[in-house]
Amino acid sequence: NAGVTQTPKFRVLKTGQSMTLLCAQDMNHEYMYWYRQDPGMGLRLIHYSVGEGTTAKGEVPDGYNVSRLKKQNFLLGLESAAPSQTSVYFCASSPPAGRMHEQFFGPGTRLTVL
Amino acid sequence: DAKTTQPPSMDCAEGRAANLPCNHSTISGNEYVYWYRQIHSQGPQYIIHGLKNNETNEMASLIITEDRKSSTLILPHATLRDTAVYYCIVRPTYNNAGNMLTFGGGTRLMVKP
Repeated sequence: NAGVTQTPKFRVLKTGQSMTLLCAQDMNHEYMYWYRQDPGMGLRLIHYSVGEGTTAKGEVPDGYNVSRLKKQNFLLGLESAAPSQTSVYFCASSPPAGRMHEQFFGPGTRLTVL
Repeated sequence: DAKTTQPPSMDCAEGRAANLPCNHSTISGNEYVYWYRQIHSQGPQYIIHGLKNNETNEMASLIITEDRKSSTLILPHATLRDTAVYYCIVRPTYNNAGNMLTFGGGTRLMVKP
Protein backbone atom coordinates (compact mmCIF):
# COMPACT_ATOMS: atom_id res chain seq x y z
CA ASN A 1 0.00 0.00 0.00
CA ALA A 2 1.19 3.49 -0.83
CA GLY A 3 -0.92 4.93 1.99
CA VAL A 4 -1.69 8.62 1.51
CA THR A 5 -0.01 10.37 -1.40
CA GLN A 6 -0.07 14.06 -2.33
CA THR A 7 0.57 15.77 -5.65
CA PRO A 8 2.52 17.99 -6.19
CA LYS A 9 5.21 18.05 -3.52
CA PHE A 10 6.19 21.67 -4.19
CA ARG A 11 4.57 24.55 -6.03
CA VAL A 12 5.17 28.26 -6.46
CA LEU A 13 2.25 30.42 -7.54
CA LYS A 14 1.79 34.08 -8.30
CA THR A 15 -0.95 35.99 -6.53
CA GLY A 16 -4.26 35.41 -8.27
CA GLN A 17 -3.32 32.12 -9.90
CA SER A 18 -5.32 28.99 -9.28
CA MET A 19 -4.29 25.43 -8.60
CA THR A 20 -5.54 22.08 -7.35
CA LEU A 21 -3.83 19.83 -4.84
CA LEU A 22 -4.55 16.14 -5.17
CA CYS A 23 -4.71 13.68 -2.29
CA ALA A 24 -5.09 9.95 -2.90
CA GLN A 25 -5.41 7.06 -0.45
CA ASP A 26 -5.48 3.34 -1.15
CA MET A 27 -6.71 2.17 2.27
CA ASN A 28 -10.42 2.39 1.44
CA HIS A 29 -10.88 4.99 4.18
CA GLU A 30 -14.17 6.80 4.48
CA TYR A 31 -12.88 10.04 6.01
CA MET A 32 -10.41 12.44 4.42
CA TYR A 33 -9.03 15.79 5.56
CA TRP A 34 -7.04 18.78 4.39
CA TYR A 35 -4.90 20.64 6.92
CA ARG A 36 -2.51 23.54 6.58
CA GLN A 37 0.54 24.18 8.71
CA ASP A 38 2.20 27.57 8.97
CA PRO A 39 5.77 27.91 10.25
CA GLY A 40 6.14 27.04 13.94
CA MET A 41 2.49 26.21 14.38
CA GLY A 42 0.30 23.15 14.63
CA LEU A 43 -1.96 21.92 11.86
CA ARG A 44 -5.31 23.58 11.21
CA LEU A 45 -8.21 21.84 9.48
CA ILE A 46 -9.36 23.43 6.21
CA HIS A 47 -12.04 21.04 4.95
CA TYR A 48 -12.95 17.45 5.48
CA SER A 49 -15.11 14.72 3.97
CA VAL A 50 -16.93 11.87 5.68
CA GLY A 51 -17.63 10.01 2.44
CA GLU A 52 -17.73 10.13 -1.32
CA GLY A 53 -19.72 13.10 -2.54
CA THR A 54 -19.71 14.89 0.84
CA THR A 55 -17.57 17.76 2.10
CA ALA A 56 -17.67 20.07 5.09
CA LYS A 57 -15.85 23.15 6.35
CA GLY A 58 -13.18 22.95 8.98
CA GLU A 59 -11.51 25.63 11.06
CA VAL A 60 -10.02 27.75 8.24
CA PRO A 61 -12.03 27.13 5.02
CA ASP A 62 -11.98 30.61 3.45
CA GLY A 63 -10.24 30.80 0.09
CA TYR A 64 -10.38 27.05 -0.51
CA ASN A 65 -12.77 24.63 -2.16
CA VAL A 66 -12.77 20.84 -2.10
CA SER A 67 -14.31 17.93 -3.94
CA ARG A 68 -14.63 14.21 -3.19
CA LEU A 69 -15.91 12.70 -6.42
CA LYS A 70 -14.20 9.37 -5.75
CA LYS A 71 -13.74 7.70 -2.39
CA GLN A 72 -9.99 7.46 -2.81
CA ASN A 73 -9.39 11.07 -3.88
CA PHE A 74 -9.81 14.41 -2.12
CA LEU A 75 -9.01 17.57 -4.07
CA LEU A 76 -8.18 20.96 -2.58
CA GLY A 77 -8.57 23.98 -4.84
CA LEU A 78 -7.30 27.52 -4.58
CA GLU A 79 -9.27 29.69 -7.01
CA SER A 80 -7.25 32.89 -6.53
CA ALA A 81 -4.10 32.33 -4.53
CA ALA A 82 -2.98 34.90 -1.96
CA PRO A 83 0.37 35.22 -0.12
CA SER A 84 -1.46 34.33 3.11
CA GLN A 85 -2.00 30.87 1.66
CA THR A 86 1.72 30.18 1.64
CA SER A 87 1.91 27.10 3.83
CA VAL A 88 2.50 23.37 3.94
CA TYR A 89 -0.65 21.43 3.15
CA PHE A 90 -1.24 17.97 4.59
CA CYS A 91 -3.87 15.51 3.60
CA ALA A 92 -5.03 12.73 5.91
CA SER A 93 -7.48 9.85 5.88
CA SER A 94 -9.07 7.64 8.50
CA PRO A 95 -11.68 4.93 8.88
CA PRO A 96 -14.99 6.07 10.37
CA ALA A 97 -15.59 6.27 14.09
CA GLY A 98 -15.81 3.10 16.10
CA ARG A 99 -13.33 1.18 13.95
CA MET A 100 -10.02 2.96 14.33
CA HIS A 101 -8.79 6.15 15.89
CA GLU A 102 -5.77 6.81 13.76
CA GLN A 103 -5.44 9.40 11.02
CA PHE A 104 -2.89 8.65 8.34
CA PHE A 105 -1.09 11.67 6.90
CA GLY A 106 0.49 12.30 3.55
CA PRO A 107 3.96 13.80 3.07
CA GLY A 108 2.71 17.33 2.48
CA THR A 109 2.70 19.91 -0.31
CA ARG A 110 4.81 23.04 0.14
CA LEU A 111 3.06 25.96 -1.50
CA THR A 112 4.55 29.42 -1.90
CA VAL A 113 2.43 32.28 -3.19
CA LEU A 114 4.41 35.30 -4.37
CA ASP B 1 -12.82 19.83 22.37
CA ALA B 2 -10.79 20.16 25.56
CA LYS B 3 -7.58 22.13 25.35
CA THR B 4 -4.18 20.73 26.20
CA THR B 5 -1.07 22.32 27.63
CA GLN B 6 2.40 21.03 26.82
CA PRO B 7 5.89 22.39 27.49
CA PRO B 8 7.22 23.97 24.29
CA SER B 9 10.50 22.04 24.34
CA MET B 10 12.39 19.27 26.10
CA ASP B 11 15.77 17.61 25.80
CA CYS B 12 16.56 13.96 26.36
CA ALA B 13 19.80 11.98 26.25
CA GLU B 14 19.97 9.20 23.70
CA GLY B 15 19.12 5.84 25.26
CA ARG B 16 17.29 7.38 28.19
CA ALA B 17 13.55 7.50 28.70
CA ALA B 18 11.76 10.56 27.39
CA ASN B 19 8.75 11.60 29.48
CA LEU B 20 6.51 14.12 27.78
CA PRO B 21 3.78 15.65 29.96
CA CYS B 22 0.40 16.97 28.91
CA ASN B 23 -2.25 18.75 30.95
CA HIS B 24 -5.89 18.43 29.92
CA SER B 25 -7.74 19.56 33.00
CA THR B 26 -11.07 20.18 31.20
CA ILE B 27 -11.24 16.78 29.54
CA SER B 28 -14.71 15.28 29.30
CA GLY B 29 -15.65 11.72 30.18
CA ASN B 30 -16.00 10.64 26.55
CA GLU B 31 -12.77 12.19 25.32
CA TYR B 32 -9.70 10.17 24.48
CA VAL B 33 -6.11 11.34 24.78
CA TYR B 34 -4.17 11.00 21.53
CA TRP B 35 -0.50 11.47 20.84
CA TYR B 36 0.94 12.22 17.43
CA ARG B 37 4.43 13.26 16.45
CA GLN B 38 5.81 15.16 13.51
CA ILE B 39 9.35 14.61 12.41
CA HIS B 40 10.79 17.60 10.59
CA SER B 41 9.01 18.33 7.29
CA GLN B 42 6.96 15.14 7.40
CA GLY B 43 3.27 14.52 8.01
CA PRO B 44 2.20 13.77 11.58
CA GLN B 45 2.36 10.16 12.72
CA TYR B 46 0.00 8.50 15.17
CA ILE B 47 1.70 7.14 18.28
CA ILE B 48 -0.87 5.99 20.82
CA HIS B 49 -4.20 6.83 22.39
CA GLY B 50 -6.07 6.03 25.60
CA LEU B 51 -9.22 6.74 27.58
CA LYS B 52 -8.39 6.07 31.22
CA ASN B 53 -6.20 3.00 31.40
CA ASN B 54 -2.49 3.05 30.76
CA GLU B 55 -1.61 1.91 27.27
CA THR B 56 1.53 0.51 25.69
CA ASN B 57 2.46 -0.31 22.12
CA GLU B 58 5.65 -0.85 20.17
CA MET B 59 6.34 2.86 20.04
CA ALA B 60 5.51 4.21 23.47
CA SER B 61 3.59 4.03 26.72
CA LEU B 62 0.80 6.36 27.77
CA ILE B 63 0.19 7.00 31.45
CA ILE B 64 -3.09 8.76 32.30
CA THR B 65 -3.70 10.01 35.82
CA GLU B 66 -6.66 8.64 37.72
CA ASP B 67 -8.53 11.95 37.49
CA ARG B 68 -7.66 12.07 33.75
CA LYS B 69 -6.54 15.68 34.00
CA SER B 70 -3.03 14.93 32.78
CA SER B 71 -1.03 12.30 30.98
CA THR B 72 2.54 11.40 30.15
CA LEU B 73 3.90 9.89 26.98
CA ILE B 74 6.93 7.74 27.60
CA LEU B 75 9.49 6.79 24.98
CA PRO B 76 11.42 4.14 26.91
CA HIS B 77 14.74 4.33 25.07
CA ALA B 78 14.90 7.51 23.04
CA THR B 79 16.96 7.51 19.85
CA LEU B 80 18.07 10.39 17.64
CA ARG B 81 15.24 9.48 15.26
CA ASP B 82 12.74 10.33 17.99
CA THR B 83 13.63 14.02 17.66
CA ALA B 84 10.30 15.55 16.66
CA VAL B 85 7.38 17.70 17.75
CA TYR B 86 4.97 15.70 19.90
CA TYR B 87 1.31 16.68 19.97
CA CYS B 88 -1.11 15.76 22.75
CA ILE B 89 -4.73 15.96 21.56
CA VAL B 90 -8.02 15.22 23.28
CA ARG B 91 -11.08 14.31 21.28
CA PRO B 92 -14.25 12.26 21.64
CA THR B 93 -14.41 8.90 19.90
CA TYR B 94 -16.70 10.60 17.45
CA ASN B 95 -17.43 14.28 16.99
CA ASN B 96 -19.57 16.20 14.58
CA ALA B 97 -16.57 17.39 12.62
CA GLY B 98 -15.54 14.13 11.04
CA ASN B 99 -13.24 13.20 13.91
CA MET B 100 -11.05 16.20 13.24
CA LEU B 101 -7.88 16.59 15.25
CA THR B 102 -7.09 19.95 16.85
CA PHE B 103 -3.35 20.46 17.01
CA GLY B 104 -1.79 22.82 19.51
CA GLY B 105 1.83 23.89 19.61
CA GLY B 106 3.16 20.56 20.85
CA THR B 107 6.47 19.79 22.57
CA ARG B 108 9.64 19.90 20.54
CA LEU B 109 11.73 16.96 21.79
CA MET B 110 15.42 17.07 21.06
CA VAL B 111 17.25 13.80 21.63
CA LYS B 112 20.94 14.45 22.09
CA PRO B 113 23.85 12.00 21.72
